[in-house]
Amino acid sequence: GDSVTQMEGPVTLSEEAFLTINCTYTATGYPSLFWYVQYPGEGLQLLLKATKADDKGSNKGFEATYRKETTSFHLEKGSVQVSDSAVYFCALSPLYGQNFVFGPGTRLSVLP
Amino acid sequence: NAGVTQTPKFQVLKTGQSMTLQCAQDMNHNSMYWYRQDPGMGLRLIYYSASEGTTDKGEVPNGYNVSRLNKREFSLRLESAAPSQTSVYFCASAPPGGRQDYTFGSGTRLTVV
Repeated sequence: GDSVTQMEGPVTLSEEAFLTINCTYTATGYPSLFWYVQYPGEGLQLLLKATKADDKGSNKGFEATYRKETTSFHLEKGSVQVSDSAVYFCALSPLYGQNFVFGPGTRLSVLP
Repeated sequence: NAGVTQTPKFQVLKTGQSMTLQCAQDMNHNSMYWYRQDPGMGLRLIYYSASEGTTDKGEVPNGYNVSRLNKREFSLRLESAAPSQTSVYFCASAPPGGRQDYTFGSGTRLTVV
């Protein structure tokens, strides 16, 4: 079946450091790919998405590119801030059917 | 603001008590979902409803029941709460068709003592 693998962390960075959170997937056909963010005590919010190969999703300085050849959707940010501290979930939505497949989440802590 | 509303936000139950978690969305979405989130376990799907009048089991349905009351509302019921059901519960909704993104509620933190 479909699956998502991501680095589980925790990841601890200093403010202004470069961030990469790896995400790879296994799916039939061409799913849509997503990154969700969960701030402490809150629900999940959509951060960015990409619906086809080579698409780049971006939001709030975060970027991820849909790489079909490597089945990856790595999340990057050039300069993290303390306010980026959260749990980040990679997810896919299959081409057919609707049920998302979530990765386990990566906890990011950014220190001042 | 449009979105998914969950009530209550916090609840403490004694073992064996029952309760219903409420979820409502105002985005005219067809599909609705209940997840639980536990430390180190990520998100696990309990039940989902692809459309009004239908419900299906997810990954961890035991100990829960659901009702899709109408297109807007999808409730989750614990008939006899157990400490293993201590968790944070999230409701989500999505429009029809594949490859759609979900909108999540803010969660219900449930403790069973």
